[in-house]
Amino acid sequence: AQSVTQLDSHVSVSEGTPVLLRCNYSSSYSPSLFWYVQHPNKGLQLLLKYTSAATLVKGINGFEAEFKKSETSFHLTKPSAHMSDAAEYFCVVSGGGSYIPTFGRGTSLIVHP
Amino acid sequence: NAGVTQTPKFRILKIGQSMTLQCAQDMNHNYMYWYRQDPGMGLKLIYYSVGAGITDKGEVPNGYNVSRSTTEDFPLRLELAAPSQTSVYFCASGGGGREKLFFGSGTQLSVL
Repeated sequence: AQSVTQLDSHVSVSEGTPVLLRCNYSSSYSPSLFWYVQHPNKGLQLLLKYTSAATLVKGINGFEAEFKKSETSFHLTKPSAHMSDAAEYFCVVSGGGSYIPTFGRGTSLIVHP
Repeated sequence: NAGVTQTPKFRILKIGQSMTLQCAQDMNHNYMYWYRQDPGMGLKLIYYSVGAGITDKGEVPNGYNVSRSTTEDFPLRLELAAPSQTSVYFCASGGGGREKLFFGSGTQLSVL
């Protein structure tokens, strides 16, 4: 069994300040973890993925995430938010014994000028 | 290189009508999925397929049917549309659990 919890439904930051989107997961197997981004009225695009190599994963547009097995977390960060980062972000767990990705409920990132 | 092509983009149905959402991928992926997205609820899996001729129910299959006669195509059928099926639908394909998903652009469906 697997599940994922995104701890915040909304995160609001000012442009130029750091971004932290939190994700905790549960999996019976060694998981693969993903972050996807969805801009308004668009499909989903992969930001980054973890598949048991380096625990710090770098993605597109300056985002990165750190896999912490002891905390069962995979938080997404960015040092400095841009207005174009405003979107919905989904944490996803998959792999191991399951080929069915499980999505979190999403975190809406709001960026203020 | 089209990726995942999903049609139509928008549709309005009357209660009780039926329709088929089309999904096609050109990446030779075995795994294909249908999700629905409702505000604040993330993506819920409706049906999935692990290869041609093999389909299975996801989390919210009631009111829907699928078929997978070829590797490329995975249509979703709505029978007797209900207002509860008003949602945004996404088709996705991928190479398996540890591989990323490729998404279509979505279908916004309203049932009135």
